[in-house]
Amino acid sequence: DSGVTQTPKHLITATGQRVTLRCSPRSGDLSVYWYQQSLDQGLQFLIQYYNGEERAKGNILERFSAQQFPDLHSELNLSSLELGDSALYFCASSVTFSASTDTQYFGPGTRLTVL
Amino acid sequence: EDQVTQSPEALRLQEGESSSLNCSYTVSGLRGLFWYRQDPGKGPEFLFTLYSAGEEKEKERLKATLTKKESFLHITAPKPEDSATYLCAVQAGAGGTSYGKLTFGQGTILTVHP
Repeated sequence: DSGVTQTPKHLITATGQRVTLRCSPRSGDLSVYWYQQSLDQGLQFLIQYYNGEERAKGNILERFSAQQFPDLHSELNLSSLELGDSALYFCASSVTFSASTDTQYFGPGTRLTVL
Repeated sequence: EDQVTQSPEALRLQEGESSSLNCSYTVSGLRGLFWYRQDPGKGPEFLFTLYSAGEEKEKERLKATLTKKESFLHITAPKPEDSATYLCAVQAGAGGTSYGKLTFGQGTILTVHP
């Protein structure tokens, strides 16, 4: 158990809908990262937050957005869902944004299925 | 652009048959190279971080090494419970807007038969 929690574990929805994925980082971690894992693309970085502020963006679609709240939990919002958005979505957390030993610990993931 | 290539894509071993997994990388200033283990449907589990060429780290039957262009994950006398996908990732140390992100390889699927 990494200490990172994600809810829900599974999500089944229809095209065009909107969903919210939730992540709670490990106790003491200030940074949260979101990754998408699909069969053809592997693990892809989406976005990073540090202590409530957005720090970096990767290959995140404009239909996707995220935020980190004062209690440091984070939410990833996916809207106008398409079949191709079906994937595993992982959240990871680390202690700080710039430390040299900044290992990221991953949560169990949310499996999103868009029908 | 940072790139990570892992080989082989899949590896089948007999229990006790040692082998190595390869991770080749190109990155604009390496801050760290990470190895993770991932079981089907689960989140990646952290194994090692390597920071500079020549560094080695060990954990049970696993040993990770690093050169300037690649990393190896050596598995000694593997057991069936070592079966998993092993992921390699790099974190760039140069400045820019993606300082903390990990760039992953596609992984090596390891199967160890009893």
